[in-house]
Amino acid sequence: QQKVQQSPESLIVPEGGMASLNCTSSDRNVDYFWWYRQHSGKSPKMLMSIFSNGEKEEGRFTVHLNKASLHTSLHIRDSQPSDSALYLCAASPASSGSWQLIFGSGTQLTVMP
Amino acid sequence: NAGVIQTPRHKVTGKGQEATLWCEPISGHSAVFWYRQTIVQGLEFLTYFRNQAPIDDSGMPKERFSAQMPNQSHSTLKIQSTQPQDSAVYLCASSLAWGSAETLYFGSGTRLTVL
Repeated sequence: QQKVQQSPESLIVPEGGMASLNCTSSDRNVDYFWWYRQHSGKSPKMLMSIFSNGEKEEGRFTVHLNKASLHTSLHIRDSQPSDSALYLCAASPASSGSWQLIFGSGTQLTVMP
Repeated sequence: NAGVIQTPRHKVTGKGQEATLWCEPISGHSAVFWYRQTIVQGLEFLTYFRNQAPIDDSGMPKERFSAQMPNQSHSTLKIQSTQPQDSAVYLCASSLAWGSAETLYFGSGTRLTVL
């Protein structure tokens, strides 16, 4: 079973609209959350990270984290066709032991012009 | 900075043949990771190195997969007796330091097709 669950699997929003993506970890050992974006045919690139409860905003992108529920969400306002991509949520433990970044299956976002 | 370099970009092998994939991490990065990506399984962790030492290979199919990092400038992933289910994009990534708060920088990947 996937330790990092993402929803929805796919999402279509109109240009200028708001896209909201969700991610939950079933592993209580995780402490750090990441969002990576992967355009078609390209490699994943880190978009945003969040380590503390609350909200973090960078331009049109906002990330929320609720550590109690191990839930993070990514919101993209004023969505652009160039935002169309696979959005991957990842989680990692805060401890310094053997560490690996676990990815969810992703949300495929399509922004329609 | 050329980023993480992976070669070859594409590799086609026959069932039962060996495949070796190469990765050159970003200069100065101390951690190197291997993942594979398929439509069905998504992005799966395989193994990672810290300062060239293997740390965690829990994601590696043990019988046929092996990874090495003989020096700080390259790592290899070798798959013996390739099977059709090994077909995937194999991604190498590196990070500046080792730890949960580090960003991974991915290469462009090697697309392996096993006929």
